Amino acid sequence: GAGVSQTPSNKVTEKGKYVELRCDPISGHTALYWYRQSLGQGPEFLIYFQGTGAADDSGLPNDRFFAVRPEGSVSTLKIQRTERGDSAVYLCASSSGTDYYEQYFGPGTRLTVT
Amino acid sequence: AQSVSQHNHHVILSEAASLELGCNYSYGGTVNLFWYVQYPGQHLQLLLKYFSGDPLVKGIKGFEAEFIKSKFSFNLRKPSVQWSDTAEYFCAVGGGSQGNLIFGKGTKLSVKP
Repeated sequence: GAGVSQTPSNKVTEKGKYVELRCDPISGHTALYWYRQSLGQGPEFLIYFQGTGAADDSGLPNDRFFAVRPEGSVSTLKIQRTERGDSAVYLCASSSGTDYYEQYFGPGTRLTVT
Repeated sequence: AQSVSQHNHHVILSEAASLELGCNYSYGGTVNLFWYVQYPGQHLQLLLKYFSGDPLVKGIKGFEAEFIKSKFSFNLRKPSVQWSDTAEYFCAVGGGSQGNLIFGKGTKLSVKP
């Protein structure tokens, strides 16, 4: 597609439930990033994929968060046992392998945990 | 630890006024610096970036930023703002080889017509 797409755009879930957030990067982009943006804050890095492997997952807050990118394209961020503090906008970005810092962001998924 | 500080939470200007948004960073290595913009209802977009060379960098829509190494600053400027510049502006620093960005909290700019 023309840009990074993310689904769903909004997700409301109950505390304790499991959620999956999907990111479809720009075609051909090898690097994919997940960020989380809480209200009044800038995006906070979660995890970075180069191809299929997670090159840096140091930003994941705890083991309830997990992400995969099995075929080196679409990625899924998975959150188990959601908590109210997980409520935020989850942003995905992708970049080409030649310029990691020129990241193109998707519209985000707004997650609300009730 | 790496960090980015944006001093202004909300800036309100009239059209044609000059703009300067402050950004200071803390990072021990070679820095790559960025300004991103988020217009209402739209995605984050790259406004400009500094990797090396001329410390005065020019971006889209008439924006520019100056890297001052001695002050650890990368302030964003525009000589004359327009109503369409109303948006939230984020300063970010990238370090290392992996490309993850560290963002400031953002500055909301409101331009009155």
